[in-house]
Amino acid sequence: GAVVSQHPSWVICKSGTSVKIECRSLDFQATTMFWYRQFPKQSLMLMATSNEGSKATYEQGVEKDKFLINHASLTLSTLTVTSAHPEDSSFYICRLGGLPTDTQYFGPGTRLTVL
Amino acid sequence: GEDVEQSLFLSVREGDSSVINCTYTDSSSTYLYWYKQEPGAGLQLLTYIFSNMDMKQDQRLTVLLNKKDKHLSLRIADTQTGDSAIYFCAESIGDSSYKLIFGSGTRLLVRP
Repeated sequence: GAVVSQHPSWVICKSGTSVKIECRSLDFQATTMFWYRQFPKQSLMLMATSNEGSKATYEQGVEKDKFLINHASLTLSTLTVTSAHPEDSSFYICRLGGLPTDTQYFGPGTRLTVL
Repeated sequence: GEDVEQSLFLSVREGDSSVINCTYTDSSSTYLYWYKQEPGAGLQLLTYIFSNMDMKQDQRLTVLLNKKDKHLSLRIADTQTGDSAIYFCAESIGDSSYKLIFGSGTRLLVRP
């Protein structure tokens, strides 16, 4: 089955720097990928829908200039947190599109800590 | 609007049944899902139900859907300590991108 990887699995950065998170599908071509954010002991919040070859669709309240999404190929979507601040510290998870199915592909997540 | 709610915590004794409840607001939901998340791990899809079904059973798991009341439940029979985790219900919104909206999660603690 498809395997989704995320890189890095965890990252610690200084406030003001930018961090890029990759979501890679190793076995499945996805025209759509989703990015979620999960704060400690909270639910997953959908941030944006990443569309291959076109602009991402952001959920209400998510700053598109802060969370840059690029979906340049059918197997790779990247999320760049620009000018990160401590409040951006969170667990970021990607998911491949293609519901409904018995198999759903979530990335293992990237834990971002901004000091 | 889209809103999915769950109770935050459930504690059961090993061997008992667990019932986790979820309510949702979007009547256009096509599928409803149950996920399991263990500490520090990603999400694992447990089961899902199509919105025109009332019940689905899969081994120890039974999903009940009351579409009129927009209520979904997950019953785990013979709950084991390995079932301790956070359980999320989620609904898919029936557009072409199949957006998933997650509930707040229920933390299940199974006592020996």
